[in-house]
Amino acid sequence: GAVVSQHPSRVICKSGTSVKIECRSLDFQATTMFWYRQFPKQSLMLMATSNEGSKATYEQGVEKDKFLINHASLTLSTLTVTSAHPEDSSFYICSATGAGGQPQHFGDGTRLSIL
Amino acid sequence: SQKIEQNSEALNIQEGKTATLTCNYTNYSPAYLQWYRQDPGRGPVFLLLIRENEKEKRKERLKVTFDTTLKQSLFHITASQPADSATYLCALASDSNYQLIWGAGTKLIIKP
Repeated sequence: GAVVSQHPSRVICKSGTSVKIECRSLDFQATTMFWYRQFPKQSLMLMATSNEGSKATYEQGVEKDKFLINHASLTLSTLTVTSAHPEDSSFYICSATGAGGQPQHFGDGTRLSIL
Repeated sequence: SQKIEQNSEALNIQEGKTATLTCNYTNYSPAYLQWYRQDPGRGPVFLLLIRENEKEKRKERLKVTFDTTLKQSLFHITASQPADSATYLCALASDSNYQLIWGAGTKLIIKP
């Protein structure tokens, strides 16, 4: 149980393109979803926390207009990287928790490469 | 500021031996401590959660200890296998919200 599906797994696109990443909880209702960014050999960096039906809470230094998060249902959250540039290239991972709050269940991540 | 330290150097262990990974933290009083496994290019996978009032928790070949006085958790894998090779992440959480504070992880290599 507690499966989280993240798509796409890899994206390569030109600078200026907007990219949407989907995160779905397949067998449980995700009251809270998290979006992380991870650089090689570094810890997970939390970008934002979203609760279903509410606006996402962004961490300090994360641009809200750059990284649009939508959590419209209890099983789906999306992250849209708008007008992506090479510096946005990274590994993006989502996670979800149920009503109990712990632990977090992760998707398999999206490798974003902006040329 | 809150800080989590995991050994940044890779840990090489001979197959069959016990692997022990360390997680130290400062300036924090977590309600929960969690261990995750992460394989290259994949998302973390939850392994074990231990609460502040628990000293030890076991799951099959895995054992976690939690010493709130030392501000340290130890993660043990007994009878280690090459398939246990991965990066292991330590994460802390408070009761007030569901956010986790993450360590950078320790890479474990089990040699056959």
